[in-house]
Amino acid sequence: KQEVTQIPAALSVPEGENLVLNCSFTDSAIYNLQWFRQDPGKGLTSLLLIQSSQREQTSGRLNASLDKSSGRSTLYIAASQPGDSATYLCAFMIYNQGGKLIFGQGTELSVKP
Amino acid sequence: EPEVTQTPSHQVTQMGQEVILRCVPISNHLYFYWYRQILGQKVEFLVSFYNNEISEKSEIFDDQFSVERPDGSNFTLKIRSTKLEDSAMYFCASSGAGSGNTIYFGEGSWLTVV
Repeated sequence: KQEVTQIPAALSVPEGENLVLNCSFTDSAIYNLQWFRQDPGKGLTSLLLIQSSQREQTSGRLNASLDKSSGRSTLYIAASQPGDSATYLCAFMIYNQGGKLIFGQGTELSVKP
Repeated sequence: EPEVTQTPSHQVTQMGQEVILRCVPISNHLYFYWYRQILGQKVEFLVSFYNNEISEKSEIFDDQFSVERPDGSNFTLKIRSTKLEDSAMYFCASSGAGSGNTIYFGEGSWLTVV
């Protein structure tokens, strides 16, 4: 069964700290992996997409890496800010499954001023 | 910036009633999806739609559910004979030229079945 696990489930850090969120997946036949942000009661905002042929993607203070062989992805957030407080979800897509994303349960991040 | 829009944002319905959730995907996108998230649980895939037909569906998407693209801009999810366990946030999403492209999600429609 295809599974995505995110560790930790919750994280609280002081403002300015660099942090790493972890995501592991069971199926090495991934097509791509997306990281999302979800604010309480809101939709999913796409942060980064990594294709299976790529190792990492960067957007501003965010950097996501992908290691297919070990079944892991990490999301690095530099110089965290209170506005980064949200739940971060990773999801992977299996090739030729019509866009089906398999989600982890998320890491709830709280950045304290 | 283009976005996926969903209506209604919140709907309360009696058990056994039919519900239609509506979505306007991003205009030049070709792939459309519905996902749902039961409170406190993971986001789950329901169905994907391409070229006016379902391309993939999950075991959740049984005969109670149907999708339609009635015109060039709307994409709908119909839930017949709603049950208490259908209460969830339903997300519409869309993506561009290939299924390997970034998938963009709407703000969700929160369905409460009473």
